[in-house]
Amino acid sequence: DAGITQSPRHKVTETGTPVTLRCHQTENHRYMYWYRQDPGHGLRLIHYSYGVKDTDKGEVSDGYSVSRSKTEDFLLTLESATSSQTSVYFCAISESRIEETQYFGPGTRLLVL
Amino acid sequence: AQRVTQPEKLLSVFKGAPVELKCNYSYSGSPELFWYVQYSRQRLQLLLRHISRESIKGFTADLNKGETSFHLKKPFAQEEDSAMYYCALLSGNTPLVFGKGTRLSVIA
Repeated sequence: DAGITQSPRHKVTETGTPVTLRCHQTENHRYMYWYRQDPGHGLRLIHYSYGVKDTDKGEVSDGYSVSRSKTEDFLLTLESATSSQTSVYFCAISESRIEETQYFGPGTRLLVL
Repeated sequence: AQRVTQPEKLLSVFKGAPVELKCNYSYSGSPELFWYVQYSRQRLQLLLRHISRESIKGFTADLNKGETSFHLKKPFAQEEDSAMYYCALLSGNTPLVFGKGTRLSVIA
């Protein structure tokens, strides 16, 4: 497995609380991505980053924000969690967009009650 | 807008039978297509990409620009092929777009 870790791996939270998920890589890859995986919807891109402090929105960015202050860390924040954000969240990295072979983290299961 | 369609949510085949996982895309330019796979309790990983023209674990996929398809095929399914399969499209300057996935179940 590529050097990608996600924390926490599991989280249960209540509606309205803020939640931050962390993705950490040791590969020095430029691109990092956050996806959510839901039955019937597959993988949907939330946000991605193409460098430190450089981020852009994906298909389902509403209700999420991201930050990347270091090459190795990409944080996903749910400012005020809702039940519709219950999902499995995957982080991925790629060396460049052109290459675009993405390497995925193990995922974080988030349950919003 | 770029789109990837995997028409089957679930595909069940018997061991030893041929497998075809369908993928169609919409994009007017020159696409790059990928198949990613997620085995039970494992991370999502690249299975193959059309530009490499490889056969991985017995799977092949041919890009058909006329039919805008990139179907994944294997002549003889194995139980260990049971997994979730995602087709993905790279186009222009946008990140990968994934289909909704097909769960393959190989029955012994």
